[in-house]
Amino acid sequence: NAGVTQTPKFQVLKTGQSMTLQCAQDMNHEYMSWYRQDPGMGLRLIHYSVGAGITDQGEVPNGYNVSRSTTEDFPLRLLSAAPSQTSVYFCASSLDGAYGYTFGSGTRLTVV
Amino acid sequence: EDKVVQSPLSLVVHEGDTVTLNCSYEVTNFRSLLWYKQEKKAPTFLFMLTSSGIEKKSGRLSSILDKKELFSILNITATQTGDSAVYLCAVHLDYGQNFVFGPGTRLSVLP
Repeated sequence: NAGVTQTPKFQVLKTGQSMTLQCAQDMNHEYMSWYRQDPGMGLRLIHYSVGAGITDQGEVPNGYNVSRSTTEDFPLRLLSAAPSQTSVYFCASSLDGAYGYTFGSGTRLTVV
Repeated sequence: EDKVVQSPLSLVVHEGDTVTLNCSYEVTNFRSLLWYKQEKKAPTFLFMLTSSGIEKKSGRLSSILDKKELFSILNITATQTGDSAVYLCAVHLDYGQNFVFGPGTRLSVLP
């Protein structure tokens, strides 16, 4: 049972490049979320989904897009990378959205 | 603005000590409060608290919520080096999947 799998683990982008961070879970969880973690600021919610075909914005959605075509996958797209998007990104999933989320191991993204 | 504050931000203790980590919150629509432990990478879930005064316990860790004073504490007794981690407090707001996280408390347990 893999849980929540994020790829890649590390990525360096140039300003203006686009890329997709992948997230997959094999627990049949309906709820999935993307967070970014910056020093001293805790985790901040970017986007979340309550089921296939349904997504919504979190606290810091600008510059990011998501889609949820299947229950298992919830990719995060950076449209035009900026240095301010340098961060550690975590994907998380939950069965019912109320109890604790299961987090992936994170993607460390650096934008130069 | 919804806010979660944790104190202290950093703490160094020796094995065997007991520690208390604090989490206070100011949010518009409270649903629950959660504690996570983050070692090197992914946060792992510890507790979810919804009712005041009911202690949740797991081994040497325990937590309690005070909804009147808007805070929670996480206690760790007889600390071990394996307890070294960042402890995150989060409040689940009563709409959508909005969770507001605090900055975390970095606990270092020395042998």
